[in-house]
Amino acid sequence: DSGVTQTPKHLITATGQRVTLRCSPRSGDLSVYWYQQSLDQGLQFLIQYYNGEERAKGNILERFSAQQFPDLHSELNLSSLELGDSALYFCASSEGGRFTGELFFGEGSRLTVL
Amino acid sequence: DQQVKQNSPSLSVQEGRISILNCDYTNSMFDYFLWYKKYPAEGPTFLISISSIKDKNEDGRFTVFLNKSAKHLSLHIVPSQPGDSAVYFCAASGTSNTGKLIFGQGTTLQVKP
Repeated sequence: DSGVTQTPKHLITATGQRVTLRCSPRSGDLSVYWYQQSLDQGLQFLIQYYNGEERAKGNILERFSAQQFPDLHSELNLSSLELGDSALYFCASSEGGRFTGELFFGEGSRLTVL
Repeated sequence: DQQVKQNSPSLSVQEGRISILNCDYTNSMFDYFLWYKKYPAEGPTFLISISSIKDKNEDGRFTVFLNKSAKHLSLHIVPSQPGDSAVYFCAASGTSNTGKLIFGQGTTLQVKP
């Protein structure tokens, strides 16, 4: 158990819809990361928040947005969903500050868009 | 543009033998490399890392080698155990110190009893 909690574990929805994925980081971790893993692909970095503020951005689509709340949990919002958005979405956390290289990943949220 | 590549989708070895997983990268600015292991229905877990100032790092049965001139790193598992059967991802980090990792596609390792 990494200590990172993601909900929901599975989500099935239709094209055009909007979903919200939630992540609670490990206790004490200030940084939250979102990664997307599509079929047979490696993990693609989407975005990082550190203590409530955006720290780094990857190839995140404009239809996607994220935020980190004062209690440090984070939400990833996916809107106008397309079939290609079907993927595993991982949240990870780290202490923040200087990057030590180790991220702690949650079990992921599997999104299926029909 | 795939900056981190794992060209072998799968690898099968006998229990007790050595497993060697390979990874190539293109960006010479990467300064930190990591290996993650992933079991089905679980998130990736950190395994071992290496800084670009080193060429080898060892942790028990796991050793990572870095060849900067060839832009190549490898993970050696000796001896391999059935519990090592998983997907292994290599990842690289640049100098931005943001925690953004670039992952390879993964190699599925099967260790046969």
